[in-house]
Amino acid sequence: DAGVTQSPTHLIKTRGQHVTLRCSPISGHKSVSWYQQVLGQGPQFIFQYYEKEERGRGNFPDRFSARQFPNYSSELNVNALLLGDSALYLCASSIPVVNEQFFGPGTRLTVL
Amino acid sequence: EDKVVQSPLSLVVHEGDTVTLNCSYEVTNFRSLLWYKQEKKAPTFLFMLTSSGIEKKSGRLSSILDKKELFSILNITATQTGDSAIYLCAVEYRDKIIFGKGTRLHILP
Repeated sequence: DAGVTQSPTHLIKTRGQHVTLRCSPISGHKSVSWYQQVLGQGPQFIFQYYEKEERGRGNFPDRFSARQFPNYSSELNVNALLLGDSALYLCASSIPVVNEQFFGPGTRLTVL
Repeated sequence: EDKVVQSPLSLVVHEGDTVTLNCSYEVTNFRSLLWYKQEKKAPTFLFMLTSSGIEKKSGRLSSILDKKELFSILNITATQTGDSAIYLCAVEYRDKIIFGKGTRLHILP
């Protein structure tokens, strides 16, 4: 069975650019959450989507946005990148909402 | 301020030792507490706890929650080098989930 997949695995951008990260949940999972993990810290909650609607939002600026598609895959968009946005971005899927989340391998974003 | 605090932040023990990892939290509208193991990239799910005093076990790992004192512990007995990882505690509340900084566990052969 395929687990949660994320693309790309690595990404290098420069300040001011925007980035789109993609996540495909486990088949049958309708909830997707996004997290940012910087070195030495635990993952920080960014968004949660369930049935294509935003169900939760962490303390991140409006430069961060996300959406969920009819097939339950999701995109995380970050505009006007800052050096501090360099991190591992993790996606997790679950049924039902939040409980027992399964994480993808993450996208390593480096902002130069 | 809602928060999850894990201790110790790092721990080095010898193979065969037993370790206890701690997680305390302060959140409103608590729903559940989760433990994860993170080795390289993706955290892998270990336990979800919702009720006080009920121990969950999986092989050499066990965990229990105290909702009155607002903490949980994760025990690992007869540790092996493969247990070396970062152990993350997370608390689900309202429509959010907050992670602690993790405990970095290193098992010496």
